[in-house]
Amino acid sequence: DSGVTQTPKHLITATGQRVTLRCSPRSGDLSVYWYQQSLDQGLQFLIQYYNGEERAKGNILERFSAQQFPDLHSELNLSSLELGDSALYFCASSRGLAGGPETQYFGPGTRLLVL
Amino acid sequence: AQTVTQSQPEMSVQEAETVTLSCTYDTSESNYYLFWYKQPPSRQMILVIRQEAYKQQNATENRFSVNFQKAAKSFSLKISDSQLGDTAMYFCAFIKRDNFNKFYFGSGTKLNVKP
Repeated sequence: DSGVTQTPKHLITATGQRVTLRCSPRSGDLSVYWYQQSLDQGLQFLIQYYNGEERAKGNILERFSAQQFPDLHSELNLSSLELGDSALYFCASSRGLAGGPETQYFGPGTRLLVL
Repeated sequence: AQTVTQSQPEMSVQEAETVTLSCTYDTSESNYYLFWYKQPPSRQMILVIRQEAYKQQNATENRFSVNFQKAAKSFSLKISDSQLGDTAMYFCAFIKRDNFNKFYFGSGTKLNVKP
């Protein structure tokens, strides 16, 4: 158990809908990262937050957005869902200490299926 | 740009034998970390081992060890006494020292441990 929690574990929805994925980082971690892993693919970095502020953006679609709250949990919002958005979405966290690099610890992932 | 290459899409090994997974990377950075993550069928991302680029000594974690060749930009993972539970997808990852801590992942190697 990495200490990173993600809810829900599974999500099934229809095209055009909107969903919210939730992540709670390890205790004491300030940085949260979101990754997308499509079937039989590697991990694609989506976005990073540090202590409530967006720090870096990767291959994140405009239909997707994220935020990190004062209690440091993060939410990834996916809207106008398409079939191709079906994937495993991982959240990871790290201490966020200045000067990096740091080990990232991954949550169990949320499996999204868009029908 | 940083790239991570895993040239072996799939490998097999007999239980109790030793197997080596290859990873090469391309970077102009001098200070970075390298990781191997394991993703079993449960799809959880599990940290296997970490290597700091400034350390000459190869990292070791029980049956897992790395061969880090900085000049050649090579970072291979050796698994000794392979066990059935080692069956998983293995990802090599690179992270550089900056403010973003963004991971660059390889495409993965699927390891099958046969009884």
